[in-house]
Amino acid sequence: NAGVTQTPKFRILKIGQSMTLQCTQDMNHNYMYWYRQDPGMGLKLIYYSVGAGITDKGEVPNGYNVSRSTTEDFPLRLELAAPSQTSVYFCASSSRMRLNTGELFFGEGSRLTVL
Amino acid sequence: DQQVKQNSPSLSVQEGRISILNCDYTNSMFDYFLWYKKYPAEGPTFLISISSIKDKNEDGRFTVLNKSAKHLSLHIVPSQPGDSAVYFCAASPGANAGNMLTFGGGTRLMVKP
Repeated sequence: NAGVTQTPKFRILKIGQSMTLQCTQDMNHNYMYWYRQDPGMGLKLIYYSVGAGITDKGEVPNGYNVSRSTTEDFPLRLELAAPSQTSVYFCASSSRMRLNTGELFFGEGSRLTVL
Repeated sequence: DQQVKQNSPSLSVQEGRISILNCDYTNSMFDYFLWYKKYPAEGPTFLISISSIKDKNEDGRFTVLNKSAKHLSLHIVPSQPGDSAVYFCAASPGANAGNMLTFGGGTRLMVKP
């Protein structure tokens, strides 16, 4: 199993550009998440999904959009990139059983720089 | 306002000794606590967890203690060079814990051979 796969691993954007961070998981997990990590800070939840067709905002959703058309995929869209969105983005997933323990499975991260 | 705080950004320990990583929280609604470990260029991985009704949970060399009010600690005994990583404390209000995780800023542990 590949687990949680994120692409791209690195990206540099200009202010105002748009892009999509891709996330796919092959564990048949219903629950998927997008977090961002800023230097010296903990991970902050951007959006999450409890199943295909269902998404909800996390702590820091402004400037982002998500969709969940399949169980496997949970892309994160940045419409108008801003320097404040420079961060490392992590996608994660979990099963119903693991959810109760808080155990999430994370991808390797996508480092985004907005100049 | 950080609800989960790890006040030591870094910690250096000699191989074979005990590593103690601390975590404080302010939200009384938290009742489930977790530790994640993160190596460079990798995503965090789940390490160990504890509910608020327990004061100790052990898993091999790793022990999480929950004995003081709004304070947790992770003990690694004995510490090994492979334990060098960033450790994140996380907290949740409990039900569907994974949906509501609040992370601390992390502590970078360096275990010297």
